[in-house]
Amino acid sequence: QSVLTQPPSVSGAPGQRVTISCTGSRSNIGAGYDVNWYQQIPGKGPKVLIYASSNRPSGVPDRFSGSKSGTSASLAITGLQAEDEAHYYCQSFDTRVSESEVFGGGTRLTVL
Amino acid sequence: QLQLQQSGPGLVKPSETLSLTCSVSGDSMISDVYWWGWIRQPPGKGLEWIGSFSSSGITYHNPSLKSRLAVSADTSENQFSLKVNSVTAADTAVYYCARHVYFPGYFDYWGQGALVTVSS
Repeated sequence: QSVLTQPPSVSGAPGQRVTISCTGSRSNIGAGYDVNWYQQIPGKGPKVLIYASSNRPSGVPDRFSGSKSGTSASLAITGLQAEDEAHYYCQSFDTRVSESEVFGGGTRLTVL
Repeated sequence: QLQLQQSGPGLVKPSETLSLTCSVSGDSMISDVYWWGWIRQPPGKGLEWIGSFSSSGITYHNPSLKSRLAVSADTSENQFSLKVNSVTAADTAVYYCARHVYFPGYFDYWGQGALVTVSS
């Protein structure tokens, strides 16, 4: 079981908006640690989409945005495109057992 | 453009040691900002952080792996290595090396990934 909880799957039609949640606790997101988001297209390595909860690296379309509140974070994708079909992972830092980077279990996005 | 190139055997026998190397090109590993890390992904499953280290020698490990783990760096060769001993089938995964922006932080550049299968 992951320390950060994500829905296993979400879906949306082209052009729609979808959100992916990442729920943590007081030992990670709730403690103020940043949340980062990665996209992994099948057969490829992960690519950072959002860092420090709401910042986009250069080259990432502004259709992708991130937010954080309390013990949770969200990734929003607007204007959904077929190429967005991938797995998405959140990542943060946890201090409950040891000081560790932790990933969510991942969410599969299907573009209908 | 930073590039991370991984190398190492793709098949390891149970109870033996898994060894992987990540060669960094395009920038020096020595930095006050950037750390270096390892992440793995069992087939069909999610990402698991293994460990990260700074060029000054500070190291953090996933507590579930810490007792079997060794991470080292050769900054003169601009490469770093991972060793996991006493492997079992549960260690079968795609292993990634990555640049870690600060600790705690995020992974901005990733290696190509290397599938390591533990099997006799």
